[in-house]
Amino acid sequence: EAQVTQNPRYLITVTGKKLTVTCSQNMNHEYMSWYRQDPGLGLRQIYYSMNVEVTDKGDVPEGYKVSRKEKRNFPLILESPSPNQTSLYFCASSLGDTAYEQYFGPGTRLTVT
Amino acid sequence: GQQLNQSPQSMFIQEGEDVSMNCTSSSIFNTWLWYKQDPGEGPVLLIALYKAGELTSNGRLTAQFGITRKDSFLNISASIPSDVGIYFCAGPRYNNNDMRFGAGTRLTVKP
Repeated sequence: EAQVTQNPRYLITVTGKKLTVTCSQNMNHEYMSWYRQDPGLGLRQIYYSMNVEVTDKGDVPEGYKVSRKEKRNFPLILESPSPNQTSLYFCASSLGDTAYEQYFGPGTRLTVT
Repeated sequence: GQQLNQSPQSMFIQEGEDVSMNCTSSSIFNTWLWYKQDPGEGPVLLIALYKAGELTSNGRLTAQFGITRKDSFLNISASIPSDVGIYFCAGPRYNNNDMRFGAGTRLTVKP
């Protein structure tokens, strides 16, 4: 089944403890992206990647890192999480090297205390 | 920056009614996308619009790419309970790779 998977789905952590949220897609998509969703703000793009080893900042990249070493994986890294990074995070991918027509993962709900 | 303004923020309608929502921007967009998010899930693409003036349907859904390229509309006809969710408009920013989303329209359908 064609899909985008994220792990973990739920995570509660403490301020400053490094964490990684994994994202994987099995559709051979070139484009991958991370978003955060907060009430009343819609989805805001954090980082995106047009292909392996090619990443760029989105709208709200501060406090986040990404890497794209393989086509199928695009992990999101929070080196020192803070409470304002409490949010619902979505990974997405799309065919080709543009952001059109993205397929979204199921989301990761992160709470930083 | 290029902000997308969606309205209304929320709608409460009776099953069978038609629904209309829109998205506007102060900047020109070359592509408009409409997504739906069911409770507890990720957004799913409903309709993609690539040309000014384009009118596209997907079942009971119809979306239009405004002639000015600064707005788009989504209509749902004869709503049913499974239409419940949040509807987002979206479009690529200056290049084709970073996306802007509206804040969403939350739709509630009463049986």
